[in-house]
Amino acid sequence: GAGVSQSPSNKVTEKGKDVELRCDPISGHTALYWYRQSLGQGLEFLIYFQGNSAPDKSGLPSDRFSAERTGESVSTLTIQRTQQEDSAVYLCASSLWGQATGYTFGSGTRLTVV
Amino acid sequence: GQQVMQIPQYQHVQEGEDFTTYCNSSTTLSNIQWYKQRPGGHPVFLIQLVKSGEVKKQKRLTFQFGEAKKNSSLHITATQTTDVGTYFCAGRIQGAQKLVFGQGTRLTINP
Repeated sequence: GAGVSQSPSNKVTEKGKDVELRCDPISGHTALYWYRQSLGQGLEFLIYFQGNSAPDKSGLPSDRFSAERTGESVSTLTIQRTQQEDSAVYLCASSLWGQATGYTFGSGTRLTVV
Repeated sequence: GQQVMQIPQYQHVQEGEDFTTYCNSSTTLSNIQWYKQRPGGHPVFLIQLVKSGEVKKQKRLTFQFGEAKKNSSLHITATQTTDVGTYFCAGRIQGAQKLVFGQGTRLTINP
């Protein structure tokens, strides 16, 4: 597609429920990243995928968070047993592989845990 | 772990005044990128700096990368209301793919 697509754009969930967030990267972008942005804050790295290599999961805040990516396409970020502190905007980005490339971000999923 | 600090956190200026945001890394960077996030929007890539001491310009925006490749700055000359938003720096260490973002500088402008 023309850009990075994320769904849903907004999600309100009850504390303790599981949620699944989806990201469709730009076709041909082999690298995919998930970041989290709390209100008025910076971007917190969560995880990134590059092709068939093992993902870098070093930013996942707890074992309630997991992510998958099939090949070089769609990725899903799953949060189990959501907590109020999980409320944030979850941003997905994709890029070509290599250090000389910028990220293209999606519009994000705003998650509210009530 | 690697940290990227950005100051100031907020800056309010009169339209037409200049604006500068500064970024410092705890470790030497292989490159640094700058992003702009409009209110309610998502970050948009502006530029990447790679070489020590590099200076790049985009119209009224001037980006610098320090000699030691640990700091960077973004300077906007004669701000306009369209410059409103949060500016983030993001650094990469050698061999790493992921970016570490600064906390951002939120720019507001009085027309």
